[in-house]
Amino acid sequence: DTAVSQTPKYLVTQMGNDKSIKCEQNLGHDTMYWYKQDSKKFLKIMFSYNNKELIINETVPNRFSPKSPDKAHLNLHINSLELGDSAVYFCASSHKGGGNTGELFFGEGSRLTVL
Amino acid sequence: GQSLEQPSEVTAVEGAIVQINCTYQTSGFYGLSWYQQHDGGAPTFLSYNGLDGLEETGRFSSFLSRSDSYGYLLLQELQMKDSASYFCAVRDTGGFKTIFGAGTRLFVKA
Repeated sequence: DTAVSQTPKYLVTQMGNDKSIKCEQNLGHDTMYWYKQDSKKFLKIMFSYNNKELIINETVPNRFSPKSPDKAHLNLHINSLELGDSAVYFCASSHKGGGNTGELFFGEGSRLTVL
Repeated sequence: GQSLEQPSEVTAVEGAIVQINCTYQTSGFYGLSWYQQHDGGAPTFLSYNGLDGLEETGRFSSFLSRSDSYGYLLLQELQMKDSASYFCAVRDTGGFKTIFGAGTRLFVKA
């Protein structure tokens, strides 16, 4: 049973297109996140949600729109894709606010390539 | 703001011990964590230090000194499979934002 699953694993698309990545967790966690990892492996937080409510928006362009239909799902829609959006996008979840240890459980990542 | 610094690369031989240091500057602090990431894989949690001192989990140990804004990850009896990137991370006092360092690439040689 995959704890945090995201689809698709790979996306290749043209500049200007719109794409979505879906994420689901079956850990019963309250908090979910989106992180972006660039080609230099720098892992940057984009959004965090707690129980479907947006808590953190880390100055992400408004072309990126997260949606949390329930606390087990956090999807990411990206409009008007740009070359600089090429990266691996990781979904993660945790107990509320990270719980006692701050442990984040990551999905396997979605590699987005914008041509 | 928050920033973390760690070395970009470390090389060691199988069986050896390696220490990866992390210094941080944060406006709020709620603990230092370490994650491992193999190429093409997801980051996975290794350890957490909320208080000063040493935490040991098998071959891995992690240390924190809050007064020095410093921590380290110690890997003992290195194995080839330990070749990966290691990230230190701090959680802000709100708890909903974890910031990662740029990662240290560990190469383990035979």
